[in-house]
Amino acid sequence: DAGVIQSPRHEVTEMGQEVTLRCKPISGHNSLFWYRQTMMRGLELLIYFNNNVPIDDSGMPEDRFSAKMPNASFSTLKIQPSEPRDSAVYFCASTAGGIRYGYTFGSGTRLTVV
Amino acid sequence: SQQGEEDPQALSIQEGENATMNCSYKTSINNLQWYRQNSGRGLVHLILIRSNEREKHSGRLRVTLDTSKKSSSLLITASRAADTASYFCATVPSGGSYIPTFGRGTSLIVHP
Repeated sequence: DAGVIQSPRHEVTEMGQEVTLRCKPISGHNSLFWYRQTMMRGLELLIYFNNNVPIDDSGMPEDRFSAKMPNASFSTLKIQPSEPRDSAVYFCASTAGGIRYGYTFGSGTRLTVV
Repeated sequence: SQQGEEDPQALSIQEGENATMNCSYKTSINNLQWYRQNSGRGLVHLILIRSNEREKHSGRLRVTLDTSKKSSSLLITASRAADTASYFCATVPSGGSYIPTFGRGTSLIVHP
C-alpha cells in the first residue's frame, strides 16, 4: 500500500494565483480530512469528507478555499486567489474506521505564496 | 475547545533515557491518539487509547489515560536518536462530530 499520496510536495506561487492541491487516500478508506499546519496555529482541520460527501467545512478559512471529492480515490483543495498568509503545509489524511482507528497522513504539500 | 495540549513544548534528553510527554484536554473523549512527526514529513499514528482503557503498550511506547484528570501521557523508554521528532496528541470527542483535534506538540530531541 502506497499510503496517502499528496501532490505536489512543494508549491511556490505568486499572490493572486490559483493553487490546487491533490490527495489520493488509501483504497478502502471512507473518510478524508484536509489539515493545515503552521508554526503559529499548529494543525487545523479545514474540511472532512465521509463517503465522498463534505460533512464539516467550518474550518475552511475563507471563500477563497474550496475542496472537492469527486470519487473515493481523489480529492482536491483549491485556493483562489492565493495570499501570502496561506503559506503553510497542507496535509491530507484518511481513515477507514471513523473514530475507532488512527488516521493515515500524507507527506503534505508545502505551499509558499510570495 | 476540545484541543489537547501537550507538555512540555520541548524536551531534550540523552540516548538511553526515558522520555515522558503529557497531554491534557477539556471535555469527554471517545479516544485519544498519539502521533509522531519527523521534520518535513506527515504525521504517523503511534497508538490509540479508548476512554475505557487506562494503559496501552506498543514496543517501547507506553500510553496512560486518566479520564478523571483529563490527561494522558506518552512514555518512550530507552530512547534512541531516531526518536527525535515532534509528538502530538489528538483527542476524539464523545458525541458530536468525532473529529480529532490536535495539540501543538512536544518537540523531542534525543542526543546520541
